[in-house]
Amino acid sequence: DTAVSQTPKYLVTQMGNDKSIKCEQNLGHDTMYWYKQDSKKFLKIMFSYNNKELIINETVPNRFSPKSPDKAHLNLHINSLELGDSAVYFCASSPNSRGNTIYFGEGSWLTVV
Amino acid sequence: SQQGEEDPQALSIQEGENATMNCSYKTSINNLQWYRQNSGRGLVHLILIRSNEREKHSGRLRVTLDTSKKSSSLLITASRAADTASYFCATDAPSGYSTLTFGKGTMLLVSP
Repeated sequence: DTAVSQTPKYLVTQMGNDKSIKCEQNLGHDTMYWYKQDSKKFLKIMFSYNNKELIINETVPNRFSPKSPDKAHLNLHINSLELGDSAVYFCASSPNSRGNTIYFGEGSWLTVV
Repeated sequence: SQQGEEDPQALSIQEGENATMNCSYKTSINNLQWYRQNSGRGLVHLILIRSNEREKHSGRLRVTLDTSKKSSSLLITASRAADTASYFCATDAPSGYSTLTFGKGTMLLVSP
């Protein structure tokens, strides 16, 4: 069974559109994350939630809005998509927010045209 | 800000050879972790070494940590074609809410 699953895996959309990426973890973890990986493979934290509460927000444009309906889900909604938003977005989880191993999803490839 | 810097950026070796990747970081850490990313896939945790540890082994992997030099190395012995992937080090700060800060990775190509 997939531990951290995110959908869709591939998403091609036009500039200006709004899109969402969903993420679910079945590991019973308290902490979930969104990371962005650019074309040079640089992986950067965007958000971190602990028990549905936002604990880290790393200077991400407010067009990006994470939503955590419960601690097993962390969805990412992006408004007014721009070309520079094209990247791979990884959802991840860890047992808690203190320096644990992080478990990653398979990634969502977003292409904005 | 970016914490870890892997070196080299790319490494190409033959099956059976050893592969060594290095990671340098800037601030004090609680632990350092290494992850592998196969092409088109998510990152997979390989090994974690705590700041009070100097060396750790897991199968064909050997990780060292030198906190005085703020550096770590990952050695993969007797490499296989299946080891072809990108390898990332990630550091965890010692206080507050922590989140791993990743380097840019080393791309390893193991040729049969």
